[in-house]
Amino acid sequence: KAGVTQTPRYLIKTRGQQVTLSCSPISGHRSVSWYQQTPGQGLQFLFEYFSETQRNKGNFPGRFSGRQFSNSRSEMNVSTLELGDSALYLCASSLGQPGEKLFFGSGTQLSVL
Amino acid sequence: AQSVTQLDSHVSVSEGTPVLLRCNYSSSYSPSLFWYVQHPNKGLQLLLKYTSAATLVKGINGFEAEFKKSETSFHLTKPSAHMSDAAEYFCVVRPPQSQGNLIFGKGTKLSVKP
Repeated sequence: KAGVTQTPRYLIKTRGQQVTLSCSPISGHRSVSWYQQTPGQGLQFLFEYFSETQRNKGNFPGRFSGRQFSNSRSEMNVSTLELGDSALYLCASSLGQPGEKLFFGSGTQLSVL
Repeated sequence: AQSVTQLDSHVSVSEGTPVLLRCNYSSSYSPSLFWYVQHPNKGLQLLLKYTSAATLVKGINGFEAEFKKSETSFHLTKPSAHMSDAAEYFCVVRPPQSQGNLIFGKGTKLSVKP
């Protein structure tokens, strides 16, 4: 059974650009969550999607958005990139029921220059 | 509001000696608590989780954690460290009625000396 797949693995952008990251969950999983990891702030929750609907949202500006497709694959978009958006972006998938464990991908390392 | 505090940012042990990674939590409700491990350039892996069934929780790779309500602690231990245990460890709390929204501690980097 394939794990959670995130693409691309590395990304370099410049300030002001926008970026789209992709996450393919484990087959059968309907929930996808996104996290930002930085040395200063640690791991912070961005949002969670379940069956194509945003179910939870963290405390990030509107430049950060996401969506989920009918096959449960999810994309995360960041517009008008800032230097501070440089981070490792992790996604996690689960069946979506309370108590289910989350399975994490290896992440996308985004560098904003 | 729920939160976790990892008391040490870095712990260094010798191979074969015990490991203790400390975590205190703050929660208005009976919490769901977890420990995750992150090896370099890899994603997060669940070590163990506490969901009120038993206060001593056994996880993978010989790790275990004890939930102590009176001390609001959930410390991670292992009797004998192995070189492969070198990684960053995160104590995590999940708010009630939440699924994908996890609140992470700042992490503890574990170094293991030969």
